[in-house]
Amino acid sequence: EAQVTQNPRYLITVTGKKLTVTCSQNMNHEYMSWYRQDPGLGLRQIYYSMNVEVTDKGDVPEGYKVSRKEKRNFPLILESPSPNQTSLYFCASSFRRNNEKLFFGSGTQLSVL
Amino acid sequence: GENVEQHPSTLSVQEGDSAVIKCTYSDSASNYFPWYKQELGKRPQLIIDIRSNVGEKKDQRIAVTLNKTAKHFSLHITETQPEDSAVYFCAASGLVSNSGYALNFGKGTSLLVTP
Repeated sequence: EAQVTQNPRYLITVTGKKLTVTCSQNMNHEYMSWYRQDPGLGLRQIYYSMNVEVTDKGDVPEGYKVSRKEKRNFPLILESPSPNQTSLYFCASSFRRNNEKLFFGSGTQLSVL
Repeated sequence: GENVEQHPSTLSVQEGDSAVIKCTYSDSASNYFPWYKQELGKRPQLIIDIRSNVGEKKDQRIAVTLNKTAKHFSLHITETQPEDSAVYFCAASGLVSNSGYALNFGKGTSLLVTP
C-alpha cells in the first residue's frame, strides 16, 4: 500500500529538548516536504527536498532542520523546541517537482511546554 | 511569493444544495491548482486538481474552474451530502527558485452540510 508514514503521532515535550519527527515514503517519490498546520493559518511549508541531499527552505523554516540522506526518508529536526512550535505537522511527498498529487502523512501533533 | 486567498472561511448548506468555494492567487506563473479535503483529525486528501492549460474539470459531484486571466479558481460541489462536511483547502503551485516549486495553501473553508 502506498503511504507516507510519520512518527510519532503525538508528542509532548519541554522547551529546549531536541526532538526528531520521522517521515518515510514507499512510493519512490523524489519530492518531499514538511508543513505545519495552525488554526486560521492553513498549511504552511517548512522545508522541501527535491532529491537526496537537496533541500531548501519553505515559508516558515526558522527553528527547524531537515536532512535527506536517503530517498525514502525526510526527518524534521527541532534542535531547541519552543512553545510557538506547538502545531500539527504533516510530511508529504510527490512524484513531481510541482507538487502534483501531493500525498500527506497522517500528521504529528506536537506540544511544546 | 505566491499568496492564495480563499473565501468563505465557513459555509453552511442544506443537504442537496450546491456549495461553491473561491480562491484567488497572485503569481501568474502558477501552473497547478489542487483542492484538498480534510476531515476532523485526518490528513488532507486530494479531491480534484487542475493544470493551468485547462479551464474546467469535473469528477462526479465536484468540479473545479480556473480563470487564468483573473487569477481565480473555484470548487463546486453539487448535491451536497453530510459526508461532504469537512475543511477544504485550495492551493497554487509555482516556481520559487531555479528548480524548486512551492505549494501555497489558502487558509481553508469549513463546510457544514446539514440534513
